[in-house]
Amino acid sequence: GDSVTQMEGPVTLSEEAFLTINCTYTATGYPSLFWYVQYPGEGLQLLLKATKADDKGSNKGFEATYRKETTSFHLEKGSVQVSDSAVYFCAPGGSARQLTFGSGTQLTVLP
Amino acid sequence: GAGVSQSPSNKVTEKGKDVELRCDPISGHTALYWYRQRLGQGLEFLIYFQGNSAPDKSGLPSDRFSAERTGESVSTLTIQRTQQEDSAVYLCASSLGGDRTDTQYFGPGTRLTVL
Repeated sequence: GDSVTQMEGPVTLSEEAFLTINCTYTATGYPSLFWYVQYPGEGLQLLLKATKADDKGSNKGFEATYRKETTSFHLEKGSVQVSDSAVYFCAPGGSARQLTFGSGTQLTVLP
Repeated sequence: GAGVSQSPSNKVTEKGKDVELRCDPISGHTALYWYRQRLGQGLEFLIYFQGNSAPDKSGLPSDRFSAERTGESVSTLTIQRTQQEDSAVYLCASSLGGDRTDTQYFGPGTRLTVL
């Protein structure tokens, strides 16, 4: 079945620091790749996605590139803000349609 | 427009009781998913409905779990004879279709606590 390995947390950064959260996956077929975010006290929401190789998803200053050759979808942001503090989930969506979620990475950004 | 809604938002029950959780998907979305999120963990897939096709029940952890969906609208997840290990947040999601590129939109979840 599908699986995902996500960078262990928690991650603590200072405001304006560079962020990378690593994600590698195995999936059947040709998956779409998603990053979801869960802000404190809120529901899960889509952050960005990419549906084919070499596509770059981007939103709110976050980016991730679909790397088929390395089966990776690392999340990056050049300058994090306190408001980015949340739990981030990498999730491939393969031929089985349901998403396979990583364990999540807790990010805390300090002012 | 309205998002995915779930009810109740919280449910506390005693071990051995049955519970029913409800999900209202986004109007027009043909695909509906149920997931479970245990404390501090990622989401586990439970069941998937797509239109009038037979549901994919491959993620249901035991025969105490069942789900129904009426057409392309409301879904209910039923847990019979609840156990303490069933305590979790149960999340429902819907998507426009069942294509792998479709974004799944999540509801706020139902937090189930089994005493």
